[in-house]
Amino acid sequence: DIVMTQGVLPNPVPSGESASITCRSSKSLVYKDGKTYLNWFLQRPGQSPQLLTYWMSTRASGVSDRFSGSGSGTYFTLKISRVRAEDAGVYYCQQVREYPLTFGSGTKLEIK
Amino acid sequence: EVQLVESGGGLVQPGRSLKLSCLASGFTFSNYGMNWIRQAPGKGLEWVASISSSSSYIYYADTVKGRFTISRDNAKNTLYLQMTSLRSEDTALYYCASDTYRFWGQGVMVTVSS
Repeated sequence: DIVMTQGVLPNPVPSGESASITCRSSKSLVYKDGKTYLNWFLQRPGQSPQLLTYWMSTRASGVSDRFSGSGSGTYFTLKISRVRAEDAGVYYCQQVREYPLTFGSGTKLEIK
Repeated sequence: EVQLVESGGGLVQPGRSLKLSCLASGFTFSNYGMNWIRQAPGKGLEWVASISSSSSYIYYADTVKGRFTISRDNAKNTLYLQMTSLRSEDTALYYCASDTYRFWGQGVMVTVSS
């Protein structure tokens, strides 16, 4: 199984600053079509997860351009620019390269 | 507006069975694969099972393989998760989600306890 390992944020992050969340996979998530099958989600307290980006760097519909995904085949970063109070929650990466699909353990973002 | 509404959760004893449903609306359900994902209290997300649009392809997490069965009824716009031989570690909030994870339900709680 592909293991997803997420980094920890030095919380809290001051409002207006940037935050970068890291995620590493135990195997390349690049498929033969050239796409990287990595999703990022935000789960706000008491809410269902929300898809932020897919294919590593494509923002989901309606997601602010303050969120940007990047990376290589096994190392990924979600950057949040000018953080706001509404960005607080737990961020998860997920590989959808192969079954069984796996999530990272989550990275908590707190805003000051 | 896309809606996914889970139901069927509750308190069940270890070893018993439970069947979850997810009613979809606002999109052409029969064109999309679907997923079940769960979240134990205070824990992270765990993918449980996936099913393709025509039920041709089905996948399970090792933790539920042989005990859970994912299915769908495209005529009823409904996704199911039949859970048998339930264990305490199956206690979680169960979400259904579209194949691209763009749409999620609000979740339904399953508690396995004697």
